[in-house]
Amino acid sequence: GIQVEQSPPDLILQEGANSTLRCNFSDSVNNLQWFHQNPWGQLINLFYIPSGTKQNGRLSATTVATERYSLLYISSSQTTDSGVYFCAPEGGGADGLTFGKGTHLIIQP
Amino acid sequence: DTEVTQTPKHLVMGMTNKKSLKCEQHMGHRAMYWYKQKAKKPPELMFVYSYEKLSINESVPSRFSPECPNSSLLNLHLHALQPEDSALYLCASQGGETEAFFGQGTRLTVV
Repeated sequence: GIQVEQSPPDLILQEGANSTLRCNFSDSVNNLQWFHQNPWGQLINLFYIPSGTKQNGRLSATTVATERYSLLYISSSQTTDSGVYFCAPEGGGADGLTFGKGTHLIIQP
Repeated sequence: DTEVTQTPKHLVMGMTNKKSLKCEQHMGHRAMYWYKQKAKKPPELMFVYSYEKLSINESVPSRFSPECPNSSLLNLHLHALQPEDSALYLCASQGGETEAFFGQGTRLTVV
């Protein structure tokens, strides 16, 4: 199966700071998604991004499929951005998503 | 309606009990999934039901059994579970080359 590495594993920032989260994956993928898991366990889809760049408000993501990595950018962090961010690529067929170990982000006021 | 509904939200069961987790979506998605998530770990895929075909993660023990009564429902039947099966169980649905939507999960405690 696909191997997924996320970095950094933990990140503590002050409110207003910017951050970049990285996801490396071992094989070609059909799609890649970024999720935010809140303290109650709800997984919220941030981006469906098999390739290219997308932006949604203060968040943006870039996937370079040929080099097998994806980046999630968070600008002007707010305390509500705290939580775990997962990268989840999906290979061919109906294999489901393979999740990385996540980046645990804490935004301090 | 971009919602996946899971019931119950919390479940406590004994090791001799039989219970079921339910998952429902009305987005017309043809693929539904069950994931298991232990504390401070990423979700791990248990089952895929895609286009009326069931795929099983071979590491999942037989005390977990999925059932798909129709294209909108995916149940997970639980029988003779062990305390180490306590976890957050997440259901997801996905339609073609689009994003996956997750339910709020069921927090299961086996006593």
